[in-house]
Amino acid sequence: EAQVTQNPRYLITVTGKKLTVTCSQNMNHEYMSWYRQDPGLGLRQIYYSMNVEVTDKGDVPEGYKVSRKEKRNFPLILESPSPNQTSLYFCASSTGQGGLSYNEQFFGPGTRLTVL
Amino acid sequence: AQSVSQHNHHVILSEAASLELGCNYSYGGTVNLFWYVQYPGQHLQLLLKYFSGDPLVKGIKGFEAEFIKSKFSFNLRKPSVQWSDTAEYFCAVRGGSYIPTFGRGTSLIVHP
Repeated sequence: EAQVTQNPRYLITVTGKKLTVTCSQNMNHEYMSWYRQDPGLGLRQIYYSMNVEVTDKGDVPEGYKVSRKEKRNFPLILESPSPNQTSLYFCASSTGQGGLSYNEQFFGPGTRLTVL
Repeated sequence: AQSVSQHNHHVILSEAASLELGCNYSYGGTVNLFWYVQYPGQHLQLLLKYFSGDPLVKGIKGFEAEFIKSKFSFNLRKPSVQWSDTAEYFCAVRGGSYIPTFGRGTSLIVHP
């Protein structure tokens, strides 16, 4: 089954304790991205990756890191989490055909993070 | 830079009422446009998309959207909503960037 998986689904942590949220897709997609969803603010892009070893900042990258060492995985790293990073996080992937022949994004189930 | 705005943040309707959710985008060139739906407690799923051709796009569950280039709009419509349409709806635009930009979302509540 084609899917995007995220782990963990729920996480409660404390300020400053490094954490990683994993994201994996089995569709051989080139593009992957991370979003955070907050009430009243919709979806905001954190980082995205157009292919292996190619990553770039989205709209709200501060406090986050990513890596893309393999095509299928795109982990999100919070080196020193703070309470303002409490949010619902979604990973997404899509194909990377050239030009505008772009398919929709497939979203993971979400990770609800609480930083105390 | 591309951007998108959704004017209705909260919409409350009764079953069988008609729905129209506004979406306007900003980008000077060719765009791809999307509507996603997020049911309570679930992840986003694609409702419909526009790439080219017929500006009236049909999606799943009876939804449709019309691309009006002169108005930079891509409004979502459904002639008769159901209680099960209660969800959050996101419009997204992809223009110059490889990754689409999402609007802030519209929360739709349908009363039985």
